[in-house]
Amino acid sequence: DAGITQSPRHKVTETGTPVTLRCHQTENHRYMYWYRQDPGHGLRLIHYSYGVKDTDKGEVSDGYSVSRSKTEDFLLTLESATSSQTSVYFCAISESLLSSYEQYFGPGTRLTVT
Amino acid sequence: DAKTTQPPSMDCAEGRAANLPCNHSTISGNEYVYWYRQIHSQGPQYIIHGLKNNETNEMASLIITEDRKSSTLILPHATLRDTAVYYCIVRVTGGGNKLTFGTGTQLKVEL
Repeated sequence: DAGITQSPRHKVTETGTPVTLRCHQTENHRYMYWYRQDPGHGLRLIHYSYGVKDTDKGEVSDGYSVSRSKTEDFLLTLESATSSQTSVYFCAISESLLSSYEQYFGPGTRLTVT
Repeated sequence: DAKTTQPPSMDCAEGRAANLPCNHSTISGNEYVYWYRQIHSQGPQYIIHGLKNNETNEMASLIITEDRKSSTLILPHATLRDTAVYYCIVRVTGGGNKLTFGTGTQLKVEL
């Protein structure tokens, strides 16, 4: 299994509070992704990174920011959490952006915003 | 990305081959076919991918029709641990190379 960890694995927070989720990899892969998974929607891309300090938006980026100061860490921040951000968040890594390269996923973080 | 169509659910007896179909009739020439699975709320797990040739690895085989409009994932000897949701995804380089997961096929392997 690819060396990907996510922390925390579970979190309950209140509306309006800031939340940061961490993804850590030991594979030295250049590309990292954040997805969210909700019932009836499958996984949707939030943000991705194509190198240290290089990030871009995915299809559901509103309300989220990311940072990548080191190859191994990709942080997802909810500046002011809302109930609509209750979801399961998955981090993924890939060696390349080419479509011939697979993505490997972490175990997920279950976030509940009350 | 091309849209995919999969049956919502399938059953398979343990030890038998599981054949999971996927239609992707609007696939274009540079789109790969990927299969992932997700076991009960775990992170999705990569299984196999291909462009136009059939592929085989230690987990499964992927059969892509000559016109590339459909494919079949084959688990040769399904076990109870193969019970999962299986996602067929077609993917093209660009736009962050995101994976667009549909609702997949819930495969239930039974004794």
